[in-house]
Amino acid sequence: NAGVTQTPKFRILKIGQSMTLQCTQDMNHNYMYWYRQDPGMGLKLIYYSVGAGITDKGEVPNGYNVSRSTTEDFPLRLELAAPSQTSVYFCASSWDRGYEQYFGPGTRLTVT
Amino acid sequence: EDQVTQSPEALRLQEGESSSLNCSYTVSGLRGLFWYRQDPGKGPEFLFTLYSAGEEKEKERLKATLTKKESFLHITAPKPEDSATYLCAVMNYGGATNKLIFGTGTLLAVQP
Repeated sequence: NAGVTQTPKFRILKIGQSMTLQCTQDMNHNYMYWYRQDPGMGLKLIYYSVGAGITDKGEVPNGYNVSRSTTEDFPLRLELAAPSQTSVYFCASSWDRGYEQYFGPGTRLTVT
Repeated sequence: EDQVTQSPEALRLQEGESSSLNCSYTVSGLRGLFWYRQDPGKGPEFLFTLYSAGEEKEKERLKATLTKKESFLHITAPKPEDSATYLCAVMNYGGATNKLIFGTGTLLAVQP
């Protein structure tokens, strides 16, 4: 199993541009998550999904959107990129709530 | 408010010098406490889940323990390959948000 995969690994955006961060898992997990990690800060939850067609906001959702049309995929959309969205983004998945989450390798995004 | 505090922020050990990392938490109702290892430029790698006070888990040179207020990650006779950032996270029972609350991590450096 590949686990959780993310693309791209690195990206530089100009202010106001948009992009989609891709996330795929092959473990048949129901739960999927998007986090951001900033220096000196703990990982913060952006959005999560408990199954195909069901998504909900996490702690820091502003400026992002998500969709979940299949069990495997959970893309994160950035609209009108801002410098405050410069961060490392991690996708994760778990079998159920309360179980361990497995993380992807991350996408390092810079907005200038 | 739910909170996780890890100490020390950084720890330098000689190879073979055993030590412990601390994770103190405040949570309304603990559903689980999770330990992760994160190497530079990589996503967090799952190590342990602890669910109740008194529980212990072991893996190679690592042993995690849990009390009602804190968790310890004991590292016995560490090797240079144990160098990484160790993250602690908690999940509570309350609310609909399936979020992990992360600490900021302990950066461990093991010198040969």
